[in-house]
Amino acid sequence: QVTLRESGPALVKPTQTLTLTCSFSGFSLTTSGMYVTWVRQPPGKALEWLALIDWDDDKYYSTSLKTRLTISKDTSENQVVLTMTNMDPVDTATYYCARRYRGDLDAFDIWGQGTMVTVSS
Amino acid sequence: QSALTQPASVSGSPGQSITISCTGTSDDVGSYNLVSWYQQHPGKAPKLLIYEVTKRPSGVSNRFSGSKSGNTASLTISGLQAEDEADYYCCSYEGSSIFVFGTGTNVTVL
Repeated sequence: QVTLRESGPALVKPTQTLTLTCSFSGFSLTTSGMYVTWVRQPPGKALEWLALIDWDDDKYYSTSLKTRLTISKDTSENQVVLTMTNMDPVDTATYYCARRYRGDLDAFDIWGQGTMVTVSS
Repeated sequence: QSALTQPASVSGSPGQSITISCTGTSDDVGSYNLVSWYQQHPGKAPKLLIYEVTKRPSGVSNRFSGSKSGNTASLTISGLQAEDEADYYCCSYEGSSIFVFGTGTNVTVL
C-alpha cells in the first residue's frame, strides 16, 4: 500500500525558512520513472504546483517560486524535503506531497493528507 | 506558467450530465496528452479521477470521462450524484517536468 505523509511546523514567522518533510512508504524513489511532487493550496483557493524530484535526483521547480524553493530526497529514509525561504503571509496554505510514477499511470496518483502552514508574526 | 482556466462553478440536477472545461495554451494542454483531473471534497486531499486526458484509474466510476480538443480539456460527469458535489481541478504538463493546475471548479448538485 502506497502512502505519503507530510510533516512540518504549523506556524512560521515572516522571513523565516519553512522545511517540510514528506515521508512515504510502499514505493521506492530509486525506481526508474518515480517522482515525488509538492503542491500547495491557500485557504479557499486553488491548487498550485511547486516542485518535483525524480528517481535520478533531477529537480524541477515552479517558475514563479524557483528562487525560494529547494527539493531534496533521502532514499534511505524514504523522505522528500521541501524548503521555502523568506516566508510571507501569502504562503499560508495546506502543503501536499504526492507520487507520480510514469511506469504505471502518468499523474499524481497518491496524495498525502496535507499539512497546514500558517505564516504570521 | 499561468494557471489553466476553469469555470468557477457548475451545477446540475441528480442524473444529469455536466462538463467542466479547462483551457490552457499551445504550450501545455495543446502540446501534451498529460492532462489529469482531480476531485477534492472539503478538508480532504485531492483524488485522481482522470489521467492522460481520457484514462480512468482503477476504482474510479465510469461516470467520469475526459477529453481534449486543441488547447481545451474537458471533464464530463454523467448521472450526477450528490456525492459528486466537490471541487474539481485539471492539471497539465508544460514540458521539462513542469506542471500547472487549473483555477478549480466547484460542482453543486441541485
